[in-house]
Amino acid sequence: GAGVSQSPSNKVTEKGKDVELRCDPISGHTALYWYRQSLGQGLEFLIYFQGNSAPDKSGLPSDRFSAERTGGSVSTLTIQRTQQEDSAVYLCASSFGPLPYEQYFGPGTRLTVT
Amino acid sequence: AQSVTQPDIHITVSEGASLELRCNYSYGATPYLFWYVQSPGQGLQLLLKYFSGDTLVQGFKGFEAEFKRSQSSFNLRKPSVHWSDAAEYFCAVAKEGSGSQGNLIFGKGTKLSVKP
Repeated sequence: GAGVSQSPSNKVTEKGKDVELRCDPISGHTALYWYRQSLGQGLEFLIYFQGNSAPDKSGLPSDRFSAERTGGSVSTLTIQRTQQEDSAVYLCASSFGPLPYEQYFGPGTRLTVT
Repeated sequence: AQSVTQPDIHITVSEGASLELRCNYSYGATPYLFWYVQSPGQGLQLLLKYFSGDTLVQGFKGFEAEFKRSQSSFNLRKPSVHWSDAAEYFCAVAKEGSGSQGNLIFGKGTKLSVKP
């Protein structure tokens, strides 16, 4: 079956603009995660959705970052008023549930803020 | 705070040679530990994981890792490296605490180059 898909694959935006990144998880997966991979910082957890529970937003770096998950499926990560330090690859992962289920990662969206 | 340390940023080995990638973690209880591989232009793929039981776990492509609680380590090994193993390898631990299980804390990665 299809894996986790993310769109766009690449996004270039000007500083101060808002961007939306999309994640389509594997069908039937109830858990969805967003991570950020940047030079010097490695991979950082951003936010976690599990079913209808309130999301774990403990990794969001600032209030410019938000995410939602509609209908327990597709998720959108929104970054408002982008800054150059937001440039990174944003990875989405999904799984059948929290541990011990394996997380399957998407190919990522490379965001460049100019 | 929890952390994962991969002390080697870049390792180069000859094809056919053995490989060991180091990983140390800080964690209060029994950790859930993972190794992921990221090949150029591809997404992260799980190599292997440790949750409990046998401390030596096997993954695909001939990789194995050993959990050593006394050393807080989870080193990845392979007896004979193939050129296709060239990639970046990430060690990760699941964040402890109810309500957040599954969130992974990653090391900064070790890039593996393979010489012919």
